[in-house]
Amino acid sequence: KAGVTQTPRYLIKTRGQQVTLSCSPISGHRSVSWYQQTPGQGLQFLFEYFSETQRNKGNFPGRFSGRQFSNSRSEMNVSTLELGDSALYLCASSLEPQGELGEQYFGPGTRLTVT
Amino acid sequence: GESVGLHLPTLSVQEGDNSIINCAYSNSASDYFIWYKQESGKGPQFIIDIRSNMDKRQGQRVTVLLNKTVKHLSLQIAATQPGDSAVYFCADCTGGGNKLTFGTGTQLKVEL
Repeated sequence: KAGVTQTPRYLIKTRGQQVTLSCSPISGHRSVSWYQQTPGQGLQFLFEYFSETQRNKGNFPGRFSGRQFSNSRSEMNVSTLELGDSALYLCASSLEPQGELGEQYFGPGTRLTVT
Repeated sequence: GESVGLHLPTLSVQEGDNSIINCAYSNSASDYFIWYKQESGKGPQFIIDIRSNMDKRQGQRVTVLLNKTVKHLSLQIAATQPGDSAVYFCADCTGGGNKLTFGTGTQLKVEL
């Protein structure tokens, strides 16, 4: 079974631009979460989608948004990029059998550099 | 401004020794805990999890201990191998979805 895939793997953008990152969860997984990883702040939760609905949201500004499609694939968007948005963006998916929290599997991440 | 990197605590062990990595969490309502391993250039890899109704769980070469009284979690790795070298994160989750709160991580270095 294929793991969580994220595209693109690397991205360089300029301040003020916007970016869209994509995540394909493991087949059958309905929950997709996004995290930001930086040397200064560590791993921080952005948001989680389950069955196309945002179920949880972290403490990030409204410039960060996401969505989930009917096939469970998810995208996150960052508008008006700032230098501080440079980070590794990680996507994780979970099967959540019988409604119970379960193992979350992470993708390799998208390395975003804002110049 | 300049961002200051997190100073990761480092644990150095000899190959073949047992490793113990500790983690404190703050939310007494957390009911699910996970340990992840992250190697350079990769996403976190699931190691083992434990629910709040348990105090110990064993996997292959790994054991997780949970002490809810002092909000402490530990990961024990038996017979540590060079391939175990990585950053280890604990994460906790409160009911209502898969929102994980991660610890700062511990760098494990295995010396030959």
